Amino acid sequence: DSGVTQTPKHLITATGQRVTLRCSPRSGDLSVYWYQQSLDQGLQFLIQYYNGEERAKGNILERFSAQQFPDLHSELNLSSLELGDSALYFCASSQRQGGSNYGYTFGSGTRLTVV
Amino acid sequence: AQKVTQAQTEISVVEKEDVTLDCVYETRDTTYYLFWYKQPPSGELVFLIRRNSFDEQNEISGRYSWNFQKSTSSFNFTITASQVVDSAVYFCALIRRRNNAGNMLTFGGGTRLMVKP
Repeated sequence: DSGVTQTPKHLITATGQRVTLRCSPRSGDLSVYWYQQSLDQGLQFLIQYYNGEERAKGNILERFSAQQFPDLHSELNLSSLELGDSALYFCASSQRQGGSNYGYTFGSGTRLTVV
Repeated sequence: AQKVTQAQTEISVVEKEDVTLDCVYETRDTTYYLFWYKQPPSGELVFLIRRNSFDEQNEISGRYSWNFQKSTSSFNFTITASQVVDSAVYFCALIRRRNNAGNMLTFGGGTRLMVKP
């Protein structure tokens, strides 16, 4: 157990729907990162939050949004889902906003299937 | 900008063979960290090693060893006497040694290793 908890583990939904993925960071970590792993794109950085504030954005679609709550858990909201959004979504956490000293701790991922 | 290249998309070996996974990186920073992660069929990302750019010593951990060569910007991973349980996708990653916002891990495309009995 890495200490980073992601729920749900699996999610199957239809095109056009909206889903929320949840992540609880490791105890003491203030920074949360979201990554998308699709078959053709590899591991792509989506967005980072640090202590409740957005810190960096990567290749995140406008249909996607995220937030980090006062208790530091984070949610990734995916709306108007398309077949191409099917992927494994990882959350990772680190102590600092840069995350360099120890890298990240990854959760086990949420596998999203859009049908 | 940073870039990590794992040119081998897929490698197949027979059990007990040695196998080396290549990783080449690009960065303008002089201080950075390099990582290897393992992703077994179950999907989670398992941390294997972190290497500081200042430390070019090779590292051995059991059947695993890593060869870091700054001169060629490479950080290769060797599995000795491979086993079926080593079958997984392996990712090399890089992060700059900074704690400012927006500093995130950049991953290579991954190498799928299949170890056949």
